Amino acid sequence: AQTVTQSQPEMSVQEAETVTLSCTYDTSENNYYLFWYKQPPSRQMILVIRQEAYKQQNATENRFSVNFQKAAKSFSLKISDSQLGDTAMYFCAFRWDYKLSFGAGTTVTVRA
Amino acid sequence: DTGVSQNPRHKITKRGQNVTFRCDPISEHNRLYWYRQTLGQGPEFLTYFQNEAQLEKSRLLSDRFSAERPKGSFSTLEIQRTEQGDSAMYLCASSPPPSGGPVLPDTQYFGPGTRLTVL
Repeated sequence: AQTVTQSQPEMSVQEAETVTLSCTYDTSENNYYLFWYKQPPSRQMILVIRQEAYKQQNATENRFSVNFQKAAKSFSLKISDSQLGDTAMYFCAFRWDYKLSFGAGTTVTVRA
Repeated sequence: DTGVSQNPRHKITKRGQNVTFRCDPISEHNRLYWYRQTLGQGPEFLTYFQNEAQLEKSRLLSDRFSAERPKGSFSTLEIQRTEQGDSAMYLCASSPPPSGGPVLPDTQYFGPGTRLTVL
């Protein structure tokens, strides 16, 4: 079974600052996908960024970037230039085969 | 195409009643998934369809739960004899086949969810 651990229940960041969310996972598989999803207070789950395990290059999407350390089974998300609209619950997810396994989430609050 | 849609958005029912939720996936997405999310937790996998075939059911899905996807289009999730422990957000997601065009393959796109409250 795949397990995903997000050790930070809550994070607070000042607008325009940078925040990093941690995620670790446990798997014996070699080819898999990792995702960060954002769930704002309206509760629609939105894809933020994804990483294929076979790619060494870290994924980047505008202000969002990941630090993927395959050997350490670590997949952190960095949000740069934080905006008020980034306030949400962030979930790390692991995908092997077809289903997603999610972490418990980190609530990010961006302060004005 | 406006994404995955789910109906109803909210459902309040009394214990022991049956409820049914509907999910309409993104057009041409052949894979459809149901997840359950309780307050403050990440979603948990319930079941998965490829076209009309239900390929896996989680142990979380007791005999009171049944899901269908007739003709490989929309899907329904029915809960019979609801219990207070069934109160949760029920999320549906869809993904394209691996050769799936402009959208990211192997990525699941979620609907807004149906919030169930069992009194």
